[in-house]
Amino acid sequence: AQSVTQPDIHITVSEGASLELRCNYSYGATPYLFWYVQSPGQGLQLLLKYFSGDTLVQGIKGFEAEFKRSQSSFNLRKPSVHWSDAAEYFCAVGVNMNYGGSQGNLIFGKGTKLSVKP
Amino acid sequence: GAGVSQSPSNKVTEKGKDVELRCDPISGHTALYWYRQSLGQGLEFLIYFQGNSAPDKSGLPSDRFSAERTGGSVSTLTIQRTQQEDSAVYLCASSLAVSGGALTDTQYFGPGTRLTVL
Repeated sequence: AQSVTQPDIHITVSEGASLELRCNYSYGATPYLFWYVQSPGQGLQLLLKYFSGDTLVQGIKGFEAEFKRSQSSFNLRKPSVHWSDAAEYFCAVGVNMNYGGSQGNLIFGKGTKLSVKP
Repeated sequence: GAGVSQSPSNKVTEKGKDVELRCDPISGHTALYWYRQSLGQGLEFLIYFQGNSAPDKSGLPSDRFSAERTGGSVSTLTIQRTQQEDSAVYLCASSLAVSGGALTDTQYFGPGTRLTVL
């Protein structure tokens, strides 16, 4: 079955430090991968997505993610974290019904909460 | 230029009562999704609409849950005889078009409705 694992429930980094949030997926076909961010009281906002091509994907707010098929990973990175990046981050895989999933839905990881120290 | 809107933003109800949650997708978006976000469960897919049709209802947790969409626009998620385990944030998303699944379409999320069942 398709699944997404975000191993870190909560991460704290200092402002200005680099950040890497881990995401591993299980999927029987070429995955379509997404990272969303959810700020307190806000809806989910798309940071970036990967469908094909270059495995290093650039997103908004200075984030990037790298797709590594051999490791079934799609880790999110940012070279220098800002206090406003404090939020919860969700990795997701888009599911194709032809591979046993529900047509059109996203399967989300349980999220990683990011705290930023001044 | 409005995004996805949901109403009410908060709903407190008593166990056993019925509730209706409303979603207004982005104008022109043909696909609409409902998700549930609860503590410990993360984000769960509930149901997906293409136009007014719901080809996939597999995510609905019980027969107390139903959803409809009229005019290819507004959708209503109804929970009958609410239980305390229904307490969660219910998120709606929409996307422009779906061809074989939301593999490439970006889903835009609303701010959610926080449901509390006493």
